[in-house]
Parts: sequence; structure tokens; C-alpha cells
Amino acid sequence: EAGVTQFPSHSVIEKGQTVTLRCDPISGHDNLYWYRRVMGKEIKFLLHFVKESKQDESGMPNNRFLAERTGGTYSTLKVQPAELEDSGVYFCASSQGSMRANSYEQYFGPGTRLTVT
Amino acid sequence: AQSVTQLGSHVSVSEGALVLLRCNYSSSVPPYLFWYVQYPNQGLQLLLKYTSAATLVKGINGFEAEFKKSETSFHLTKPSAHMSDAAEYFCAVSVSWGAQKLVFGQGTRLTINP
Repeated sequence: EAGVTQFPSHSVIEKGQTVTLRCDPISGHDNLYWYRRVMGKEIKFLLHFVKESKQDESGMPNNRFLAERTGGTYSTLKVQPAELEDSGVYFCASSQGSMRANSYEQYFGPGTRLTVT
Repeated sequence: AQSVTQLGSHVSVSEGALVLLRCNYSSSVPPYLFWYVQYPNQGLQLLLKYTSAATLVKGINGFEAEFKKSETSFHLTKPSAHMSDAAEYFCAVSVSWGAQKLVFGQGTRLTINP
């Protein structure tokens, strides 16, 4: 079974440009999460989808960040326009979300390292 | 609100020595606690979790952690370190065992000396 995949693995862009990160969760997982780790800091929650609906977007830093999950499958996270402080590693995680034991375990992707110069 | 503090951003031990990674949490409700490990160029992998059952939790790769409510701690231990344990370790807390966000500590990078 394929794990959570993220694309690209690295992205270097200039301040003011737009970047779109993609996350493909494990097939059948209803819950999809985005997290971010700024260098030297802790991993912080950004938002949570249940299928195609945003369940919790309390961690989104500002309106330059737009997350979508069309059709409840893959998700994209767009940053427009990018600022220097957006640099960091963006992680995606998914969980199944049924009542079975361990179904809420979050499986993480390898992350996308974003560098804004 | 929940928070997690990991004492020591870097820990170095000799191969075969005890591994102890410290985690203290703050939570307004009974917490669910997790340890994740990240190997280079990989995603975070769940090592173990505490979900209000046994306070001593055993995980993968010989790791275990003990939930101590009185100390608000959930330290990770392994009796004998192996070179393959070199990685970054994250402690996390959640308000429930369900579809909830995780609140992470700052991470501890573990180095194993031969």
C-alpha cells in the first residue's frame, strides 16, 4: 500500500511568487491534515479536511494560504504571494477515520521543503 | 490549550547505552500522547501512543514510554541504543483519540556514537 506522498520534495521560489504543494493521502483515508515546521521550531498544525470539507483551519497563518481538497482525494496548498517567513517544511498526514481501533493514526508524508528567497 | 516541551534539542548517547528523551505536556483535559520518529528523508512514523489505557506503553523498535500524570511527563526510553536509532524524535499531544490535530514539541535529534 502506498503511503502519503507529497510533491514537490523541494521548492525554491522568490518572494512574491506563487507555489502550490500537493499531497496524495493513503487511499480511502477521509482525514487529511497539513502541518508546517519552520526551521528550528516545532511542527505546527495548519488545517484538517474531512473528505472535501475543511473541519478545522485554525492554524492557517493568513489569507495568503489556500488549501483545497477537491473530490476528497488529493489536496493542494497554495501560497500566494510567498513571503520569506513561509519557508519551512510542509507535512501532510492522513488518517482513515472509522471506528476501528487505530483508524485515527496519522500517517505522514516526507514533507515539502519550501525555501522563499 | 495543549502544549508540549521536549527537553534537549540534541541528545547524544553511545551505542548500547540507555536512551532517554524527555517530554512534558500541558493539557486542560486528559491527554492523548504520541511519540513520532523521523528518519532522514522520510515522513514521521508513529513509535507509540498513550490513549488512557496502560500507563507504560510499548512501541516499535524496542522503545517504550511511561505516562506519569503527577509529573505531566511522557518520557521515551530504550534500554540499549542502536546505530539505527539515530533520527529526530517528536512528542505530541492531542485532546482525544480521534480525528484531531496534533500539537508537537520542538523535536529532539538523537545521535548514536559508536
